[in-house]
Amino acid sequence: SQQGEEDPQALSIQEGENATMNCSYKTSINNLQWYRQNSGRGLVHLILIRSNEREKHSGRLRVTLDTSKKSSSLLITASRAADTASYFCATDHRGEGAQKLVFGQGTRLTINP
Amino acid sequence: AAGVIQSPRHLIKEKRETATLKCYPIPRHDTVYWYQQGPGQDPQFLISFYEKMQSDKGSIPDRFSAQQFSDYHSELNMSSLELGDSALYFCASSILTGTDYEQYFGPGTRLTVT
Repeated sequence: SQQGEEDPQALSIQEGENATMNCSYKTSINNLQWYRQNSGRGLVHLILIRSNEREKHSGRLRVTLDTSKKSSSLLITASRAADTASYFCATDHRGEGAQKLVFGQGTRLTINP
Repeated sequence: AAGVIQSPRHLIKEKRETATLKCYPIPRHDTVYWYQQGPGQDPQFLISFYEKMQSDKGSIPDRFSAQQFSDYHSELNMSSLELGDSALYFCASSILTGTDYEQYFGPGTRLTVT
């Protein structure tokens, strides 16, 4: 089963509104990262939050992490049509000498003009 | 800034054929990762290499193999292709900054098996 599960799976809002996406995971992590993917395109790194951090901001993005609940949320404020994409959370698991990312199922976000 | 390069960007193969995907990491990055993303699915970790040695292995079929070369580029070799292998294959590279590895993804290779 997937380490990360995202909720909702699809979200449709009006331009200018805020969008909140949630992610849950099962085992301990080094950090949690959020990625954006336009349809069929590459993954763009948005933000990384370490396991000892609770909140992080980057422009219109706000990420929170609750390690006690093993959950994270991504908030996009003042959404724009260009924010339409799929958003994935990915948890960092450190192996010997390197890490792998375990991705959640993603939230498909649609911003209606 | 230089990004991760993948080639080819698109590949069409028939069942039972072989395919080789190439990845050129960002200069000075020491770790390469391969992920597979099926249609409508999340990316799945396949395998990673650190300093040319395999460092982690995920759900990679036995029909697939990969290696990292002395110039740090990596190749994913896929044999006896099946229809279910049709997917986007991403390569990522990373370098340790502080205490974290931030993975940078390439644009992906879209493999279609017919």
